Amino acid sequence: IAGITQAPTSQILAAGRRMTLRCTQDMRHNAMYWYRQDLGLGLRLIHYSNTAGTTGKGEVPDGYSVSRANTDDFPLTLASAVPSQTSVYFCASSAGSTSTDTQYFGPGTRLTVL
Amino acid sequence: GQNIDQPTEMTATEGAIVQINCTYQTSGFNGLFWYQQHAGEAPTFLSYNVLDGLEEKGRFSSFLSRSKGYSYLLLKELQMKDSASYLCAALDSNYQLIWGAGTKLIIKP
Repeated sequence: IAGITQAPTSQILAAGRRMTLRCTQDMRHNAMYWYRQDLGLGLRLIHYSNTAGTTGKGEVPDGYSVSRANTDDFPLTLASAVPSQTSVYFCASSAGSTSTDTQYFGPGTRLTVL
Repeated sequence: GQNIDQPTEMTATEGAIVQINCTYQTSGFNGLFWYQQHAGEAPTFLSYNVLDGLEEKGRFSSFLSRSKGYSYLLLKELQMKDSASYLCAALDSNYQLIWGAGTKLIIKP
């Protein structure tokens, strides 16, 4: 069982380019999340999905979009990357969304926007 | 606003005990999580408290005081592999996690 996988592991991207970060889980979890982690700051929620077919905005959604076509996949798209989006991006999942279920994290994608 | 405060960095000696404190202010409260994150890796779950008191799990214990908005993580018999960042996160009334910036724990021989 892989848990949560993310791709790519790292990426250097020119400003203005479009980029999709991939996230797949095999735990049949209902809820999935995208966070960014920046030095000196806590994890910040970008978007979330409580169940397949639904998505919601987190604390810092601007410049990002997500989709949840099925239970397993939750891609994050940067339509036109900017240098302030340089960060480490973590995808996470939990069994439920309106509960105290533990969130499990993927290995992260390190993104640099130049 | 919602806020989580924890020390930026702490240093301790191998074999010793260390307590990492966390204070929180959230709109509603549904529990407090502690995660461990080694450098360059993903956060991994350590503990969850929703009731006041101490929860012990091997060398790690976590304490919560809801009335004081306070929690701590206690690590005993420190090992070099415990060198990591420890993240405190509170679950608010919307069941969203509010994360602290993390405490980097440095273990010295």
